[in-house]
Amino acid sequence: DAKTTQPTSMDCAEGRAANLPCNHSTISGNEYVYWYRQIHSQGPQYIIHGLKNNETNEMASLIITEDRKSSTLILPHATLRDTAVYYCIVRVASGANSMLTFGKGITLSVRP
Amino acid sequence: DTGVSQDPRHKITKRGQNVTFRCDPISEHNRLYWYRQTLGQGPEFLTYFQNEAQLEKSRLLSDRFSAERPKGSFSTLEIQRTEQGDSAMYLCASRDGLSYEQYFGPGTRLTVT
Repeated sequence: DAKTTQPTSMDCAEGRAANLPCNHSTISGNEYVYWYRQIHSQGPQYIIHGLKNNETNEMASLIITEDRKSSTLILPHATLRDTAVYYCIVRVASGANSMLTFGKGITLSVRP
Repeated sequence: DTGVSQDPRHKITKRGQNVTFRCDPISEHNRLYWYRQTLGQGPEFLTYFQNEAQLEKSRLLSDRFSAERPKGSFSTLEIQRTEQGDSAMYLCASRDGLSYEQYFGPGTRLTVT
């Protein structure tokens, strides 16, 4: 699975959009971009995934660049409950075991 | 609540003791994963089951660790002769064969004194 690079931390104001970047310059054609988040003292939670088109669900939007070497997770109206560690993961969707390889993630702090 | 439960939520044990953790996945999920997470790090894959078959084990899973999923439903992770380096959060996740999404339990936090 391709490696990802994320900043260590960022913050944003409550109610504003949070844009979380991720670099995955070695991504291959059959690898998807996944985002999970982990709120303190909880297990990780799936947010969204995509291959090359932009994706949106009730939690977030995922913007993938045309060359697929980077992506941005957008939380359109961040709340205090969005404070968490966000993990960007790149992997083949239907691998034999489909295990997740987590990095250190980016810590998002939403301030009042 | 994701529907994946783990028991116990916290375990404190003395070095050298054996401990066993249990994971109950979402009932229709045939795939089950164990991960370990130490402070400040992301979760690390330990092992994977499809139904009752253990199909992959990480090199992190030393011979003191054993995992089972006897009837393809709940799973247990046992650590024998615990060491202080085993102190971590142990996470269980499950998914069905069609979904991309893994559902994680709340984890079991192990402290070895």
